Amino acid sequence: DAMVIQNPRYQVTQFGKPVTLSCSQTLNHNVMYWYQQKSSQAPKLLFHYYDKDFNNEADTPDNFQSRRPNTSFCFLDIRSPGLGDAAMYLCATSRVSGYEQFFGPGTRLTVL
Amino acid sequence: AQSVTQLDSQVPVFEEAPVELRCNYSSSVSVYLFWYVQYPNQGLQLLLKYLSGSTLVKGINGFEAEFNKSQTSFHLRKPSVHISDTAEYFCAVSDNSGYSTLTFGKGTMLLVSP
Repeated sequence: DAMVIQNPRYQVTQFGKPVTLSCSQTLNHNVMYWYQQKSSQAPKLLFHYYDKDFNNEADTPDNFQSRRPNTSFCFLDIRSPGLGDAAMYLCATSRVSGYEQFFGPGTRLTVL
Repeated sequence: AQSVTQLDSQVPVFEEAPVELRCNYSSSVSVYLFWYVQYPNQGLQLLLKYLSGSTLVKGINGFEAEFNKSQTSFHLRKPSVHISDTAEYFCAVSDNSGYSTLTFGKGTMLLVSP
């Protein structure tokens, strides 16, 4: 089945220690998104790629970076995680921007 | 820019009762509308979508929603809920330009009890 895969499902890191979350898709969609979701809140868009074009939300902290080496993979790098970065990180894809999005299962990040 | 308002943060309901989750949106252009469901510690799953055409949209798990342009609403309904419907429900909107992203509402927690 075509899908969006996120690894790992659970990630524990230490305060200030860089961490990378990964996302892959078999849907061959043009757009890939990264969201941060804190408890009982809506997903907050961090950035998205339309093919290779990177789009950063204005309020996304510089601490968050992303890479999309090819159509199938996208990575979220958190350079120096703080306690406030503990959250669920969701990856999503869509065929075109603004169209329905397909979500992965998420990675739960804990910062100690 | 678009915005979405989900008026109820929590909706408690008994099993087999009908339910309506409310969603209102604001936009100066034509929109696409979506309802997503999220179970604990999982990603979001699309329930249904309105792109164009019939204003009554049927989705998975027995849910349906009606697009009302004059009232700028897209309320989600189910005639008889199950315990397994307990989850967070998000309404989302985008414009149909092909360049916008989804704007989510704050979510409504549906709590189904026996």
